[in-house]
Amino acid sequence: EDKVVQSPLSLVVHEGDTVTLNCSYEVTNFRSLLWYKQEKKAPTFLFMLTSSGIEKKSGRLSSILDKKELFSILNITATQTGDSAIYLCAVGSGGSNYKLTFGKGTLLTVNP
Amino acid sequence: GAVVSQHPSRVICKSGTSVKIECRSLDFQATTMFWYRQFPKKSLMLMATSNEGSKATYEQGVEKDKFLINHASLTLSTLTVTSAHPEDSSFYICSARSGGIEKLFFGSGTQLSVL
Repeated sequence: EDKVVQSPLSLVVHEGDTVTLNCSYEVTNFRSLLWYKQEKKAPTFLFMLTSSGIEKKSGRLSSILDKKELFSILNITATQTGDSAIYLCAVGSGGSNYKLTFGKGTLLTVNP
Repeated sequence: GAVVSQHPSRVICKSGTSVKIECRSLDFQATTMFWYRQFPKKSLMLMATSNEGSKATYEQGVEKDKFLINHASLTLSTLTVTSAHPEDSSFYICSARSGGIEKLFFGSGTQLSVL
């Protein structure tokens, strides 16, 4: 059974702090790892990672994948209250039966 | 980016009735659609995967006779919750994928409340 484990499950920080969210996985036929941000309704796409060691960056957010150790991290620097959300890690696996398995998410709260 | 429309966004129904939720890809052909269920402050749990023109594949523990999924065209999938009970109350969200693209695009979700 495919597994995606995120840690921590929740995190409370102050504006300006830097946070690191973790995602480890065990899946059959790994295809990609994706990060999403979910505030109220639909998750919004952040990053898709397929290759080890190549950092993807978007503003204050960055992410990297380690396919040998089977994990990824999502970094957020200089956090703002608008970063408060659930951050979801998902792993795409399978061939013709492709599916996306989500972790439980990390609930990030950024206080002013 | 690609747009996935899901409706209704909220539905309240009586116990025993059936509810249909629609998921449409507006500007691309969705060869595969996924249906998820989400409880408050919890992650998305995959219920089933549907490919256009074929029967849906359900995850373990999901009753296929209770959650009917139809993917009759490349732009539309429906989830029907049959004989709904209060324990079916949840946030249901669909997502769609096109061909070899691995990024999923999500609908805005449906909050179902069964009284």
